[in-house]
Amino acid sequence: GAGVSQSPRYKVAKRGQDVALRCDPISGHVSLFWYQQALGQGPEFLTYFQNEAQLDKSGLPSDRFFAERPEGSVSTLKIQRTQQEDSAVYLCASSTDRNPIYEQYFGPGTRLTVT
Amino acid sequence: AQTVTQSQPEMSVQEAETVTLSCTYDTSESDYYLFWYKQPPSRQMILVIRQEAYKQQNATENRFSVNFQKAAKSFSLKISDSQLGDAAMYFCAYRSEGAQKLVFGQGTRLTINP
Repeated sequence: GAGVSQSPRYKVAKRGQDVALRCDPISGHVSLFWYQQALGQGPEFLTYFQNEAQLDKSGLPSDRFFAERPEGSVSTLKIQRTQQEDSAVYLCASSTDRNPIYEQYFGPGTRLTVT
Repeated sequence: AQTVTQSQPEMSVQEAETVTLSCTYDTSESDYYLFWYKQPPSRQMILVIRQEAYKQQNATENRFSVNFQKAAKSFSLKISDSQLGDAAMYFCAYRSEGAQKLVFGQGTRLTINP
């Protein structure tokens, strides 16, 4: 079936604007993750959902970052009042609970540039 | 908190040769999982190989194999018969048994020379 998709692929925002990034996980995948990948770095965990429940949001860098998954499928990561340090690639991943290793499948990412 | 360290920012290898990428990690846990992910330029991250900490046998997937040294907290990736399509960023990642999130290293950029 289709893999994880993310939109938009590229987003340019002026400092202070709000942005919304969308993730469509693999159909039937219970778990959904958001990661932030700064240029030349490894991804860093932001938040995790199991179905519609946000079970871990310990990686969100500030209260300007908000994520939701209201129906347990599509998720949106919202960043309010964007700052230059928010410039990064935002990766979404999903996994099924049927595999005990819970392998995560990644989307192509959204590259956010804040000017 | 767990940390993952990849000490080689860049590596290069001749096509058809063998290359080893290093990864060390710090944890006080005994049960966990380790992964190597490949991220080609402008393409999405894909899983290369995984290792369960409770398994002593090193994982192998075709040309990719790992050397897992639990006591030394080391998890290196060996790529045999390197191909041009292997060029990418490679990330080592750790996941606790009781958690879901992945903790990544800084990555190693692998170049394949024809």
